[in-house]
Order: sequence, then C-alpha cells, then structure tokens
Amino acid sequence: GQQLNQSPQSMFIQEGEDVSMNCTSSSIFNTWLWYKQDPGEGPVLLIALYKAGELTSNGRLTAQFGITRKDSFLNISASIPSDVGIYFCAGSGSSNTGKLIFGQGTTLQVKP
Amino acid sequence: DAGVIQSPRHEVTEMGQEVTLRCKPISGHNSLFWYRQTMMRGLELLIYFNNNVPIDDSGMPEDRFSAKMPNASFSTLKIQPSEPRDSAVYFCASRPTGTPNEKLFFGSGTQLSVL
Repeated sequence: GQQLNQSPQSMFIQEGEDVSMNCTSSSIFNTWLWYKQDPGEGPVLLIALYKAGELTSNGRLTAQFGITRKDSFLNISASIPSDVGIYFCAGSGSSNTGKLIFGQGTTLQVKP
Repeated sequence: DAGVIQSPRHEVTEMGQEVTLRCKPISGHNSLFWYRQTMMRGLELLIYFNNNVPIDDSGMPEDRFSAKMPNASFSTLKIQPSEPRDSAVYFCASRPTGTPNEKLFFGSGTQLSVL
C-alpha cells in the first residue's frame, strides 16, 4: 500500500532556530497536509496543499506541495517553546474518501 | 463550539474483556472516522462512515473489532475480546459536510491499555 516516509524522526533545537521537515512518497498524492499533535491530544490541521508547486504559509509555518506530487516539506521559522509536539504529514490520493495516509511523525523539542 | 468528544479518555482492561469506545462528532458533520495510533504503526484508519453508513472498513484489523453509528451524533468502536496488542490510542475524527475530505477534526483520543 501507499506509504509516506517522513524525516527527520526527531529534532531538538534551540528557541529561535528555523526548522525543516519533509515527507516523500512512492506514489502520487492529490493533497498534502501537515498536522500537529500536542501530548494527550488529537492531531490538529496546520496547512493543506491542493496543487503541485503550491506554497502556503500560516504564520511562521510554510509548506510546499512538491512538483512531482510525491513530496512536501514544512518549515517553521523562529521556533518558540510552544512549537513542541509531533508533526505529521498526510497525503490523500483521491477525493471525498477521507483516507489519509499519515507519515510516522517528526517529534520536535525546543530548548528555551 | 464543542469539538469531537471521545470517552473514556483512558481505559485499562484485562485481556479477554469487551471494550467499547464512544465518540460524539461535531454537530453537522456527516463523516466520521476511527483511527488507531501506535508507536510501531503510527496513525491507521480503521473505518469511516458517511451519513451513518460504513463506507470502508478495510482497516479494521480483525473480526474482534466492530464499529457502529446508530445516528448522526454517536458512534462506538467495540473490541471483543480484547488482547494486549490492541493497546493503543484510538482517535475519532469528523468532517464537515461539503468540505475537502482532508479537513478532519480529531477528538482527544482514548488511551487503551489491555493487560
């Protein structure tokens, strides 16, 4: 089945640093999404990308839908302590099914 | 507005016991999804419903797992009999009518431990 490879698996950075993480797939996706999960909570949607090459920002977060439709990256600029959590990429290969394929997650820790 | 509500938040049970997880989706959402999260396998879709009808249950691991959605405001995921390998966090998510399928709203999850 479809799989997403997300990297890095974990990051430990200093407050104020920029962060970059990415996801790759062996198959094409029509939609790429990035979610964040805080401890003890469910994932929350950060950014949704619907078109190859699309670059979208949400505050300090920027994500891009790769031209090949097989990859996406998420950047966080000027990290702050509340950015701590697990970031998941997710892809959807077809519409109106909700069958998202999730990456394994990137655990981010920010040192004040 | 209240989000997706799941209960219980934590469940500890013994192997062989029946476990029932509950979910109340956001009012007005017509699609409901059950996911399971483990360290080894990450987030996996178990089953989803559209307008209370199960559409795809291919992710349900075994016959021990069953899910129902008797009405638009309530769903259950049942495991009978439970086994230690079922230990995981189970998430329910719902989606608003007419929006892209990706805009899922997740509940806080049920942490299940089967001893």
